Amino acid sequence: GENVEQHPSTLSVQEGDSAVIKCTYSDSASNYFPWYKQELGKRPQLIIDIRSNVGEKKDQRIAVTLNKTAKHFSLHITETQPEDSAVYFCAASMKTSYDKVIFGPGTSLSVIP
Amino acid sequence: DGGITQSPKYLFRKEGQNVTLSCEQNLNHDAMYWYRQDPGQGLRLIYYSQIVNDFQKGDIAEGYSVSREKKESFPLTVTSAQKNPTAFYLCASSSFSSGRYEQYFGPGTRLTVT
Repeated sequence: GENVEQHPSTLSVQEGDSAVIKCTYSDSASNYFPWYKQELGKRPQLIIDIRSNVGEKKDQRIAVTLNKTAKHFSLHITETQPEDSAVYFCAASMKTSYDKVIFGPGTSLSVIP
Repeated sequence: DGGITQSPKYLFRKEGQNVTLSCEQNLNHDAMYWYRQDPGQGLRLIYYSQIVNDFQKGDIAEGYSVSREKKESFPLTVTSAQKNPTAFYLCASSSFSSGRYEQYFGPGTRLTVT
């Protein structure tokens, strides 16, 4: 089955710097890669996603890149702010929303003011 | 925070007892999921259901059971066979909207078994 690895497990950056979180997946059939943000004590929420027919997607300060050949995808956050502090989960899934989604172990991001 | 609810928020049980966690959604979503969250291990899939009266095992189904008698409800039973049941449990439902396959999560139930 699918296995998703995520690095680093913890990340501290100064406010205004960029943060990069990297994930790898094992199943070449996976074609949908969402990223979820979980603030302390809250539920995970989708922040951005990418499908396998796209190499890069951007939404304001966040962007995701995908390398299908290498089975890598990454989350980039620019101009980080304290409110970006949270746990970020990458995930991989196949085709439809009704298929199972496999999550990575998470990255705890701290943005230092 | 409406849409998908879980109850109770905190649950305490003695070892050897079965316990059922509630998950209800009014989003008209077909698919529902149960995850277990442990520190440093992310979200691990226990069971998921794509349609009423049907469900599939996830990666860590042993010691758990589910039912899906109604579209809105997907209760999870943690049985006495689950060796390490103390954890944070998250329920989710899924839709396809505007090109996004998004999972909506409930607020979670923290189960402590002693």
